[in-house]
Amino acid sequence: EPEVTQTPSHQVTQMGQEVILRCVPISNHLYFYWYRQILGQKVEFLVSFYNNEISEKSEIFDDQFSVERPDGSNFTLKIRSTKLEDSAMYFCASSLSRTGGANTEAFFGQGTRLTVV
Amino acid sequence: GENVEQHPSTLSVQEGDSAVIKCTYSDSASNYFPWYKQELGKRPQLIIDIRSNVGEKKDQRIAVTLNKTAKHFSLHITETQPEDSAVYFCAAGDYGQNFVFGPGTRLSVLP
Repeated sequence: EPEVTQTPSHQVTQMGQEVILRCVPISNHLYFYWYRQILGQKVEFLVSFYNNEISEKSEIFDDQFSVERPDGSNFTLKIRSTKLEDSAMYFCASSLSRTGGANTEAFFGQGTRLTVV
Repeated sequence: GENVEQHPSTLSVQEGDSAVIKCTYSDSASNYFPWYKQELGKRPQLIIDIRSNVGEKKDQRIAVTLNKTAKHFSLHITETQPEDSAVYFCAAGDYGQNFVFGPGTRLSVLP
């Protein structure tokens, strides 16, 4: 069964450093997303991406964040200057189509645990 | 923006009993309501979803109901089993899958 894969599974970084979280969505999916989950809290939407551009982004997704699809398979989340409060589990997800139609299920990756020290 | 509330925050049931988790949402434009199950340390996984043109949907032991007028939707699990123990998140969204998740319900099924 195809799945979304994320690397690394765990990233430790010093405050102020840049990190790039990587995701390989399911190959025929068209919509890509990043979510984060602070330990013990709910999953929060960060950004959605379609047709090589950001579709929507939340208030969390400020200028420190950026996303990129550098090639036909990878989807990355960059945090330019990490803060302690960026420590969380970051989930990538992908779906074949948008809400309201068929095949709208968002498949989540296993997550990258980011620890900022 | 959308705001999703979820109750209860924790729920313990005896194996074989039913469990009900309730959510409310605020944005009448929301038209897609998925439920995710998250086992400890693992990714959220979709277990069932419902769209705004459907009032009830069932898949084996799991059912979801939606009341658009009241902006309520609920998850029902019958004949609970220990492997149903997890955190369950409801979510509500409009086009684009930028769901707003509820705060989660930790379900414990006691043997």
